[in-house]
Amino acid sequence: DQQVKQNSPSLSVQEGRISILNCDYTNSMFDYFLWYKKYPAEGPTFLISISSIKDKNEDGRFTVFLNKSAKHLSLHIVPSQPGDSAVYFCAASGTGGFKTIFGAGTRLFVKA
Amino acid sequence: EPEVTQTPSHQVTQMGQEVILRCVPISNHLYFYWYRQILGQKVEFLVSFYNNEISEKSEIFDDQFSVERPDGSNFTLKIRSTKLEDSAMYFCASSALWGNTEAFFGQGTRLTVV
Repeated sequence: DQQVKQNSPSLSVQEGRISILNCDYTNSMFDYFLWYKKYPAEGPTFLISISSIKDKNEDGRFTVFLNKSAKHLSLHIVPSQPGDSAVYFCAASGTGGFKTIFGAGTRLFVKA
Repeated sequence: EPEVTQTPSHQVTQMGQEVILRCVPISNHLYFYWYRQILGQKVEFLVSFYNNEISEKSEIFDDQFSVERPDGSNFTLKIRSTKLEDSAMYFCASSALWGNTEAFFGQGTRLTVV
């Protein structure tokens, strides 16, 4: 069951540059998308979300873009900082659904 | 800041034994979830719980699993007869609403079945 896909298992970026993490989904019933960040030995921490009625949501250094026709979303982090190094999970849910489906995660390395 | 707490942080159990993983969700949240992450794999949904009953469950959540909210604060996941493949990080989460909202996760319980 690969309803939410993160095809890049890892990404390495220089400090100060932009990090772009990508996510694709297959279920057209999804209408709410989230990004979670996870450090080792901790639970996922909510980062940012976007509803399907929007195509962009911004919170400080983090921006999520949604392309519904392509069933694609991306998370932009700019400028990237070493503390951003973590695993980032894309997740999706549908209205009325009681579960959130997670992607496999992308490990981001931000080099100082 | 309110947080979801899970105990124990690490549980080692013999195959075939029963385990109970405990969670205290955020106090004013109404929706509760269990997820698991097998080492190196994705975070997988197990079950959601609302109003003292299961709202939704995945195919992973078979008859060996059960959930309970025995009192006003705890939310537990019981695995009746553990198998080696149950070894994973188990995350509890809670949310104030359902649908378009984020869930808050606990730190996880690492279950090791030997």
